[in-house]
Amino acid sequence: DVKVTQSSRYLVKRTGEKVFLECVQDMDHENMFWYRQDPGLGLRLIYFSYDVKMKEKGDIPEGYSVSREKKERFSLILESASTNQTSMYLCASSLSGHLGGGNTIYFGEGSWLTVV
Amino acid sequence: GQNIDQPTEMTATEGAIVQINCTYQTSGFNGLFWYQQHAGEAPTFLSYNVLDGLEEKGRFSSFLSRSKGYSYLLLKELQMKDSASYLCAVRDRNAGNMLTFGGGTRLMVKP
Repeated sequence: DVKVTQSSRYLVKRTGEKVFLECVQDMDHENMFWYRQDPGLGLRLIYFSYDVKMKEKGDIPEGYSVSREKKERFSLILESASTNQTSMYLCASSLSGHLGGGNTIYFGEGSWLTVV
Repeated sequence: GQNIDQPTEMTATEGAIVQINCTYQTSGFNGLFWYQQHAGEAPTFLSYNVLDGLEEKGRFSSFLSRSKGYSYLLLKELQMKDSASYLCAVRDRNAGNMLTFGGGTRLMVKP
């Protein structure tokens, strides 16, 4: 079974803190994604990566950055956390460099971040 | 851009059938996915449609009409454990084949 593991399930951070959310997948997937999920807004893509050291902006990259130094690990960084970044963050991964076909994406269990 | 609409909430009775609709507008349709998400858990893959018609998987079926920009997820013989959110997601080849998700439909199954 594919396993996508997010290091922290629940975090509480102060405004202005730097926050790291870590994600590891064990299936040698090329593609990795970071989404945030908010009530009524669904899942929104923050950043994705299709290879080591490669990254692309998603729909809402502002206030975030990412790092992909190893194939299995994709980190989301909040340089200076703000209260509007309180959300549930989902990491995901998928097979192959080509994003077509029936290749689904596999999600981690989510990280609940509260910024106070 | 893409618009994906699905009802916010639905309620159904254990043992019954429920249909969750999803409508979408996209310039380069390249597949539609349904996911199930229990509260506090990760979304899990249910089904994939890229051609018109019905795909059946046990108690769950998914239908697609590309000309109408319409899909539905049909759940039969509802069980209490089917209480969850159901997410419709569309892949657009003109958006780098990224998935865009609808807001999800929260289904409550009552005894």
